[in-house]
Amino acid sequence: QVQLQESGPGLVKPSGTLSLTCAVSGDSISSGNNWWSWVRQPPGNGFEWIGEIYHGVGTNYKPSLRSRVSISIDKSNNQFSLNLSSVTAADTAIYYCARLVGGTRSFDYWGQGTLVTVSS
Amino acid sequence: DIQMTQSPSSLSASVGDRVTITCRASQSISNRLNWYQQKPGKAPYLLIYAATTLQSGVPSRFTGRGSGTDFTLTISSLQPEDFATYYCQQSYKITYTFGQGTRVEIK
Repeated sequence: QVQLQESGPGLVKPSGTLSLTCAVSGDSISSGNNWWSWVRQPPGNGFEWIGEIYHGVGTNYKPSLRSRVSISIDKSNNQFSLNLSSVTAADTAIYYCARLVGGTRSFDYWGQGTLVTVSS
Repeated sequence: DIQMTQSPSSLSASVGDRVTITCRASQSISNRLNWYQQKPGKAPYLLIYAATTLQSGVPSRFTGRGSGTDFTLTISSLQPEDFATYYCQQSYKITYTFGQGTRVEIK
C-alpha cells in the first residue's frame, strides 16, 4: 500500500520560505512511471496544482509560481520536498503531496495534508 | 490555463437518488478528465480516471462519461457515504486544473 506523509512547519512568516517534505512508503520515487506532485487547497476553496518531479531529473511548475517554487527529491530517504519562497497570506492553504500516475496523470495516492498558515 | 467549470455548485439529494454532476472544459481535453471525492478534513480520493475508467475499489454505482469538453459523473443510487464534495481535474495540459467542486448534501 502506497502511503504519503507531509511534514513541516505549520506557521511561516510573511516573506519567508515555506518548506515541506513528503515521505513516501510502498513505492520508490526514483523508479517507475509515476510523478510526485504538490497540490494546495486554501481553506474552504478548491485545488491548485503547484508542481511535480520525476525521478529527480524532471520538474514542471505552475507558471505563476515558477519564480518562487522548487521541488526536489531525496532518493536515499525516498522523500521529496517543496520550497516556496517570498510567501504571503495568499499562500495560506492545506498542502498535499500526491502521486501522479504517469500515463493518465491522475492523482491516485495523497498525503493527509498539512495546513500552513502565513502570518506574523 | 484550461478552465474547468462544474455544475451545480451544490445539490441536495436523498439516499437512493440518482445524481449527475457536470464538468465542462474551456477547450477540448479529449478524455483527459479525472474525478475525485473529498470528505471534510480528508484528502481527495480518486474515483474515475480517463473520463470513464473506474479506479480499483470504487463502487460500480459511480459512472463517468464524456469526451472533448463535456463530462458527467453519475451516482446511480446515492448512499450515505457518498455525501461529499466532488471535483473534476483535467490532465490534458500541464498546468493541471480542477473544477471548483460540487457539494452533495443530504436532503
